[in-house]
Amino acid sequence: KAGVTQTPRYLIKTRGQQVTLSCSPISGHRSVSWYQQTPGQGLQFLFEYFSETQRNKGNFPGRFSGRQFSNSRSEMNVSTLELGDSALYLCASSLAPGTERTGELFFGEGSRLTVL
Amino acid sequence: AQSVTQPDIHITVSEGASLELRCNYSYGATPYLFWYVQSPGQGLQLLLKYFSGDTLVQGIKGFEAEFKRSQSSFNLRKPSVHWSDAAEYFCAAPSGGYNKLIFGAGTRLAVHP
Repeated sequence: KAGVTQTPRYLIKTRGQQVTLSCSPISGHRSVSWYQQTPGQGLQFLFEYFSETQRNKGNFPGRFSGRQFSNSRSEMNVSTLELGDSALYLCASSLAPGTERTGELFFGEGSRLTVL
Repeated sequence: AQSVTQPDIHITVSEGASLELRCNYSYGATPYLFWYVQSPGQGLQLLLKYFSGDTLVQGIKGFEAEFKRSQSSFNLRKPSVHWSDAAEYFCAAPSGGYNKLIFGAGTRLAVHP
């Protein structure tokens, strides 16, 4: 069974640009969450999608957005990039929320974004 | 608000020694609690989860954790550490949504041969 796949793995952007990151969840998983990991702030929740609907959102500015497609694949977008957006962006998939496996997240290896 | 605290940023142990990583939580109701591990350059992997019932939880890779409500703790233990256990360990709990987790700051484990 294939794991969570994130693309691209590494990317470099300059301030003001925008970026789109992609995540393919494990087959059968319908919930996709995104996390930002930085040395200073640690792991922070960005948002969660289930059945193409955003279910939860973290405390990030509107420059951070996401969506989920009917096949459960998800993308996140960051517009007008700032230096502080440099981070590892992790996608995690899980079974539908509310099941006994709630909170059991399967993470991808992440997309490392560097903003210059 | 819910919070998860890992008091130890770095821990170094010798291979074969026992290990205990600390985690304290602030939570109103009976919590879900998780331990995840992140090896260098990798995503996170779930080690174990506490939901309810038996307060001693067994996980993968020989890890276990004990939930102690009176101490608001969920410490991770392993009786004998292997060099491959060197990684960063995160304690986590849901916050405002079952798949919306808050993570502790992490404990980086180094293993000496």
